[in-house]
Amino acid sequence: GPKVLQIPSHQIIDMGQMVTLNCDPVSNHLYFYWYKQILGQQMEFLVNFYNGKVMEKSKLFKDQFSVERPDGSYFTLKIQPTALEDSAVYFCASSSGTISYEQYFGPGTRLTVL
Amino acid sequence: GEQVEQRPPHLSVREGDSAVITCTYTDPNSYYFFWYKQEPGASLQLLMKVFSSTEINEGQGFTVLLNKKDKRLSLNLTAAHPGDSAAYFCAVRGPNTNKVVFGTGTRLQVLP
Repeated sequence: GPKVLQIPSHQIIDMGQMVTLNCDPVSNHLYFYWYKQILGQQMEFLVNFYNGKVMEKSKLFKDQFSVERPDGSYFTLKIQPTALEDSAVYFCASSSGTISYEQYFGPGTRLTVL
Repeated sequence: GEQVEQRPPHLSVREGDSAVITCTYTDPNSYYFFWYKQEPGASLQLLMKVFSSTEINEGQGFTVLLNKKDKRLSLNLTAAHPGDSAAYFCAVRGPNTNKVVFGTGTRLQVLP
């Protein structure tokens, strides 16, 4: 089936540094998402992105977070600066349409902030 | 906002037994429901997408029931086998939003 790729699979950084998580969505998909999952807890919606803009975001999507997809390349989540509570697994997803269309998920990037 | 509770958090069954995982949600306007399976270290794999208008949905080896009155969604694996061992997540989406709210997950172990 369609695959979403995420790079890197693991990232360890020091608190206060910047980190960029990369997502390679399914090729013809137009809607992109980031989710955050702290170990042992549920996956939580961060943001939905379409046509170069943030469509929806949750309260977890702090001011230090930003997303973009320059020139149709990777869909990225940037955190600047990072905080200890940003340690989690971040999942990217994409879908071809909205509302009724299922989201296809990547394998996640495990971010550890020291 | 929407809240989704999933039970049980852990479930262990013998091969050939059935396994039932249940989610309850709070928003009566929720319209789209999803079940995902996640094997260790892997992506979430969509098992089934359910629309609010369909109460019983059958897949390969499992049934999904939607009870709108009780705001309850369940996944019933009819004859579990070791390959079903994984984490299962329900997800709920309202009619006018792209935001999907996930349940807390159930870790299923099927013993031979």
